[in-house]
Amino acid sequence: SAVISQKPSRDICQRGTSLTIQCQVDSQVTMMFWYRQQPGQSLTLIATANQGSEATYESGFVIDKFPISRPNLTFSTLTVSNMSPEDSSIYLCSVTALTNEKLFFGSGTQLSVL
Amino acid sequence: GNSVTQMEGPVTLSEEAFLTINCTYTATGYPSLFWYVQYPGEGLQLLLKATKADDKGSNKGFEATYRKETTSFHLEKGSVQVSDSAVYFCAHSYGGSQGNLIFGKGTKLSVKP
Repeated sequence: SAVISQKPSRDICQRGTSLTIQCQVDSQVTMMFWYRQQPGQSLTLIATANQGSEATYESGFVIDKFPISRPNLTFSTLTVSNMSPEDSSIYLCSVTALTNEKLFFGSGTQLSVL
Repeated sequence: GNSVTQMEGPVTLSEEAFLTINCTYTATGYPSLFWYVQYPGEGLQLLLKATKADDKGSNKGFEATYRKETTSFHLEKGSVQVSDSAVYFCAHSYGGSQGNLIFGKGTKLSVKP
């Protein structure tokens, strides 16, 4: 299994500012992903974080709004840029273990934008 | 396009009742199917999965069978416990990666003693 530490667990931010969310895994993993869960909605994949190269974004998400870094096999960050109230969501880091059998989730970051 | 539809909650049951949470999916190809569970105050965790038609995933007394003909993956448990109270998410994979998932909106289950 993989233990995922995600920070911060929650934050309240002002419109127009940016927040960087960190995801640290206790073991080397193959894939790292960032998901968003808007209030009352299902989880939506934002992007796949690729080590040493640009992230792969899903339709509707762009690098300027959600820059992602992954400098090594166990760490990734997601920045929510120029925030608006519509960005209020839970943001989740997830990883697949080396065997690629299971997807593990962090406990999420509850973001509220005023 | 790809999608997952699961029954709306909340679902409230008495302890030892039978549980069914319906899930249907739309996908191209042959996706893997999953049920994830989120207990209060905890992160999402995999409950069970099935990777091909007619496979049955099972864990903790829960079961779900991959029905390709009806594109369904209904979750069942014969006798629920208070500790099963949680939000349950149905999901399918796409793009050949088990990390790329399409989720349903989740069904909240409350089990009363």
